[in-house]
Amino acid sequence: AQSVSQHNHHVILSEAASLELGCNYSYGGTVNLFWYVQYPGQHLQLLLKYFSGDPLVKGIKGFEAEFIKSKFSFNLRKPSVQWSDTAEYFCALRGANNLFFGTGTRLTVIP
Amino acid sequence: ETGVTQSPTHLIKTRGQQVTLRCSSQSGHNTVSWYQQALGQGPQFIFQYYREEENGRGNFPPRFSGLQFPNYSSELNVNALELDDSALYLCASSLDGTSGANVLTFGAGSRLTVL
Repeated sequence: AQSVSQHNHHVILSEAASLELGCNYSYGGTVNLFWYVQYPGQHLQLLLKYFSGDPLVKGIKGFEAEFIKSKFSFNLRKPSVQWSDTAEYFCALRGANNLFFGTGTRLTVIP
Repeated sequence: ETGVTQSPTHLIKTRGQQVTLRCSSQSGHNTVSWYQQALGQGPQFIFQYYREEENGRGNFPPRFSGLQFPNYSSELNVNALELDDSALYLCASSLDGTSGANVLTFGAGSRLTVL
């Protein structure tokens, strides 16, 4: 069965700190992976996606993620966070015709 | 291009009642999916509609039903509401429901509270 795990429930960082949010998936086939962000009061927005090719994918707002097949991971990174990055972050795995989401990680950035 | 719009944004119902939520897909998108996001959880897939037919369903009982119209807009209907149905209901649209690589565009959601 396909599933996604996000073990960091709440992360608190100061501005300019580096960020890494963990995402592990369970699936033995070809994977399509996504990171979505949900800013307070706003809808889910796509940060980045991995379908194939270069395992290091770059997204919007300086975010990047690395697909490591041997570790079943797709961690999200940003070298220097800003207060405006405060949001809920969701990792997702593509199913046959749906997305499997993790439980999300709430990021709080302190000015 | 217009995004995904949902209505109503908030509503309150009592147990046993029925509710209908509406969604207009992004211009050019022909596939609509519905997700339930309970408090503190990630979105859970309810079902997907492509060309007016349901072509995928998650682990939700039959009292969750839907429709897709010729203009690709969609409705989610929930009968016999239960307290656990309280959640944010998200609609997402995409192009070509049969493609595994399409990207979903989400609406802001309808927040349902069941008392």
